[in-house]
Amino acid sequence: EAAVTQSPRNKVAVTGGKVTLSCNQTNNHNNMYWYRQDTGHGLRLIHYSYGAGSTEKGDIPDGYKASRPSQENFSLILELATPSQTSVYFCASGGTGHERLFFGHGTKLSVL
Amino acid sequence: GEQVEQLPSILRVQEGSSASINCTYENSASNYFPWYKQEPGENPKLIIDIRSNMERKQTQGLIVLLDKKAKRFSLHITDTQPGDSAMYFCAASLNTGANTGKLTFGHGTILRVHP
Repeated sequence: EAAVTQSPRNKVAVTGGKVTLSCNQTNNHNNMYWYRQDTGHGLRLIHYSYGAGSTEKGDIPDGYKASRPSQENFSLILELATPSQTSVYFCASGGTGHERLFFGHGTKLSVL
Repeated sequence: GEQVEQLPSILRVQEGSSASINCTYENSASNYFPWYKQEPGENPKLIIDIRSNMERKQTQGLIVLLDKKAKRFSLHITDTQPGDSAMYFCAASLNTGANTGKLTFGHGTILRVHP
């Protein structure tokens, strides 16, 4: 089973603070994704990447930045966190031409 | 882009009966339709998928049907067991070589299988 590791698993942040969520995959997958999961909305794509150095906007990118410094690592950055960004965030990876996504175990973020 | 609608949001069935979840999509060019299962506190995991060159696929008590004309696809779980209780997500994507895996998910269905 492909390994995708997220850190931290839980995070409490203050409104206006900066939050960085990290994701590491050891499967040499080119593609990585950040989703958020909210009741009534399912999984929504925030940012994604096709390889080191690349980031693309997903369906709900406002208020978020992403960074892919290497094949293995993909970060999601909230420069000015707001309570509406309270959610569970999932990172996923997938290989080019292989549609199956492997998800990390999620980061529960609470912005107070 | 793509939009995926999923119904029902909650499904309660008796153990041993079948359960069906339905999804519709908007982009007629979408060509890949996976289903993910998420147990409480866990991450979503792929359970079955179907590509646009197929109308039906079956594996281990799961059946997926795809109607491209109606832009509709469905998951059918036969002989449900308590272990099937979970959140289920359908998704759709347009995969064109390098541009793979950008899935649009439905809102999810909570399945409860009662003994």
